[in-house]
Amino acid sequence: EIVLTQSPATLSLSPGERATLSCRASQSVSSSLAWYQQKLGQAPRLLIYDASNRATGIPARFSGSGSGTDFTLTISSLEPEDSALYYCQQRSNWPWTFGQGTKVEIK
Amino acid sequence: EVQMVESGGGLVQPGGSLRLSCAVSGFTVSSTCMSWVRQAPGKGLEWVSVICSGDNTYYADSVKGRFTISSDNSKNTLFLQMNSLRPEDTAVYYCAAFYGGFDPWGQGTLVTVSS
Repeated sequence: EIVLTQSPATLSLSPGERATLSCRASQSVSSSLAWYQQKLGQAPRLLIYDASNRATGIPARFSGSGSGTDFTLTISSLEPEDSALYYCQQRSNWPWTFGQGTKVEIK
Repeated sequence: EVQMVESGGGLVQPGGSLRLSCAVSGFTVSSTCMSWVRQAPGKGLEWVSVICSGDNTYYADSVKGRFTISSDNSKNTLFLQMNSLRPEDTAVYYCAAFYGGFDPWGQGTLVTVSS
């Protein structure tokens, strides 16, 4: 099973700042990685698929990069509504797996 | 408009069974892979199962042999038959379509396994 390790566990930043979230895979997943945002009490929402493709309706301040084992989700300028949990997920190998999540707090 | 509505959750005793349903509108379940993802209270997301092309199925090791995913094209509905339920299966269960990523998602249905 591919283990996805996300860091940091919590990120506390001010509006307008840049957020950089990391996801590291225990073995290569090529570009088969997605990112999700989950707000309290809501279902997750797809942000990025195939490492760097923004999903429909996702603001341009969200971007993804990386391949192989190291991936990054960047929020270029934080908005108050970006306060949420963020998960990465791989579909390269069975079983599909999620990272443990990074919590983004807005000061 | 795309909609996915789960139902069938509830309280069940350990060893019991439940059948979850996910009624889909706005696209056909046979047109893509369909999946179940769960989230235990206060915990992260866990992929459970996926069905592709109507008959290719895959499961997480934690549910293999106990859960069965299926779909009914005539009802445009996804199912998850859950047998031999354990307390650790307690979670909100989401259905989701998969197009490179899980999207869209249903609102989830809570399954509680407890005596």
